[in-house]
Amino acid sequence: AQSVSQHNHHVILSEAASLELGCNYSYGGTVNLFWYVQYPGQHLQLLLKYFSGDPLVKGIKGFEAEFIKSKFSFNLRKPSVQWSDTAEYFCAVNAMDSSYKLIFGSGTRLLVRP
Amino acid sequence: DGGITQSPKYLFRKEGQNVTLSCEQNLNHDAMYWYRQDPGQGLRLIYYSQIVNDFQKGDIAEGYSVSREKKESFPLTVTSAQKNPTAFYLCASSTGGPNSNTEAFFGQGTRLTVV
Repeated sequence: AQSVSQHNHHVILSEAASLELGCNYSYGGTVNLFWYVQYPGQHLQLLLKYFSGDPLVKGIKGFEAEFIKSKFSFNLRKPSVQWSDTAEYFCAVNAMDSSYKLIFGSGTRLLVRP
Repeated sequence: DGGITQSPKYLFRKEGQNVTLSCEQNLNHDAMYWYRQDPGQGLRLIYYSQIVNDFQKGDIAEGYSVSREKKESFPLTVTSAQKNPTAFYLCASSTGGPNSNTEAFFGQGTRLTVV
């Protein structure tokens, strides 16, 4: 069965600091990978996605993520965070088999101090 | 406007009562999902449906039931058997399928409080 682990549950950073949020998944086959963000009071929205090709994907608002197949990882990065990045971030995995279940990690709450 | 509509936004029910949460999409998506979001636990999959008249249990299906009689609708019933029903419920849809390369789109959610 597929599963997703997010290592950091709470992260506090100052503005302009660099961000890296860890995400590891367990599934032996082909996967699609996603990072979603939930800003306070808003619904979940897609930050970026990986389906195939270049393992370094760029998303909205300066975020990027790198798929490392050998490590089953899809870490999210941003070189310089802003106060407006305060949100909860979720990693998700979609197994590309007959089930196409979409499984989420437990989320990481990011607080950026001005 | 295309999207996913969940209703109501807030719902209160007495313990022991069944309650049905609505989810409608006009995106022409085949796959639909129900998640439960609790603080510190992320989104946990309750049920999902790949196609009309077909659905599968997710990781926490006990105490819930669904139906998929129409492509655009995927209602979730929280039954009295669900031991801890108070939560935020999210519905999502996607084009689905093993060869599909699109993400899931989410509704605004329904916050259910059982008193």
